[in-house]
Amino acid sequence: LAKTTQPISMDSYEGQEVNITCSHNNIATNDYITWYQQFPSQGPRFIIQGYKTKVTNEVASLFIPADRKSSTLSLPRVSLSDTAVYYCLVGTGNNDMRFGAGTRLTVKP
Amino acid sequence: DTAVSQTPKYLVTQMGNDKSIKCEQNLGHDTMYWYKQDSKKFLKIMFSYNNKELIINETVPNRFSPKSPDKAHLNLHINSLELGDSAVYFCASSYLGTSAFYEQYFGPGTRLTVT
Repeated sequence: LAKTTQPISMDSYEGQEVNITCSHNNIATNDYITWYQQFPSQGPRFIIQGYKTKVTNEVASLFIPADRKSSTLSLPRVSLSDTAVYYCLVGTGNNDMRFGAGTRLTVKP
Repeated sequence: DTAVSQTPKYLVTQMGNDKSIKCEQNLGHDTMYWYKQDSKKFLKIMFSYNNKELIINETVPNRFSPKSPDKAHLNLHINSLELGDSAVYFCASSYLGTSAFYEQYFGPGTRLTVT
């Protein structure tokens, strides 16, 4: 399983774009990159998944460089309600889900 | 219209008791999971069932026994509860597939407190 490294915490202000980077230097050829969001007292929520280049949905964008050794979750114009823990996971369908410590994002007014 | 539901939401019990947590999903997924999130907030997979068959069984005490009566239900039974079992337990579901495996839908969690 590819190990992931994320910043422990980040602060931002409402209306700003937030970029959270995840390092996964030993990502395997078949591995996908998936991001989850978890609010206090709730289960994690799937945000976005990608394999290479860029993926965008209504919530976020995921940027993956050509070497795939890192990825960046981009949250446009965050609001207070985006305060949560964000997890980066890397693996294939045959592997279990290993959540790291995640990045605690705090959005301030 | 809850996609993944768990009962109960809170469970307070004494050491040595036996308890069960139930999980149901109405998403039509073929795979279900149990996770444990401890006080340090680390989320760790415990079990996974695909079409009622166990496919992931992490190293957890054999006091924990999952049971899947059908692919929409996965229950967790815990015998002889210990203080260290206190945690939040999450159920999740997904389709089994290379990328679909990682698009999991989680339930609201069951906060278990063992006294």
